[in-house]
Amino acid sequence: DTAVSQTPKYLVTQMGNDKSIKCEQNLGHDTMYWYKQDSKKFLKIMFSYNNKELIINETVPNRFSPKSPDKAHLNLHINSLELGDSAVYFCASTQSGGKGEQFFGPGTRLTVL
Amino acid sequence: SQQGEEDPQALSIQEGENATMNCSYKTSINNLQWYRQNSGRGLVHLILIRSNEREKHSGRLRVTLDTSKKSSSLLITASRAADTASYFCATDTGGGADGLTFGKGTHLIIQP
Repeated sequence: DTAVSQTPKYLVTQMGNDKSIKCEQNLGHDTMYWYKQDSKKFLKIMFSYNNKELIINETVPNRFSPKSPDKAHLNLHINSLELGDSAVYFCASTQSGGKGEQFFGPGTRLTVL
Repeated sequence: SQQGEEDPQALSIQEGENATMNCSYKTSINNLQWYRQNSGRGLVHLILIRSNEREKHSGRLRVTLDTSKKSSSLLITASRAADTASYFCATDTGGGADGLTFGKGTHLIIQP
């Protein structure tokens, strides 16, 4: 069983559209994250979510919003997509107070045309 | 400011040789972690070293941490073709709540 899964794996869409990426973890972790990896492979934290507390990286546009229907899921909604949003988005999870390692999903490659 | 700057940016060695990658960071940390990313895949956790540790081993991996110099190194001994990947260091400054801060990574190529 995949520990952290994301859907879809690839997402191609037009500028201005609204899209969502889903993330699920079956590890029983209480903290989940979204990271963005740009074309130069640089990874940057976007959000962390723990026990209904959301921590937002100040550089993330408010067009991006994470939503957590339950502890095992943290979905990413993106409104009014822009060309610069094209990147690979990774979900990750960890257990607070645990060893500290994070478990990453396989990534979603978003291409905005 | 960006944490976790790795060097070299790219490294190509022969199979069987040792590979050393370095990482520098800017602020105080709770721990430092190394991850591997194969082309087109997600990140896989390799090893974590806490701020009060100086060296850690896991199989063919050896990590050192020098908090006075704010630097870490990852040594992969007896490299194999399957070790070809990008390697990232990541710092945890907030006990997990703020997420990890990644460097730009070292792309390692093992020549058979």
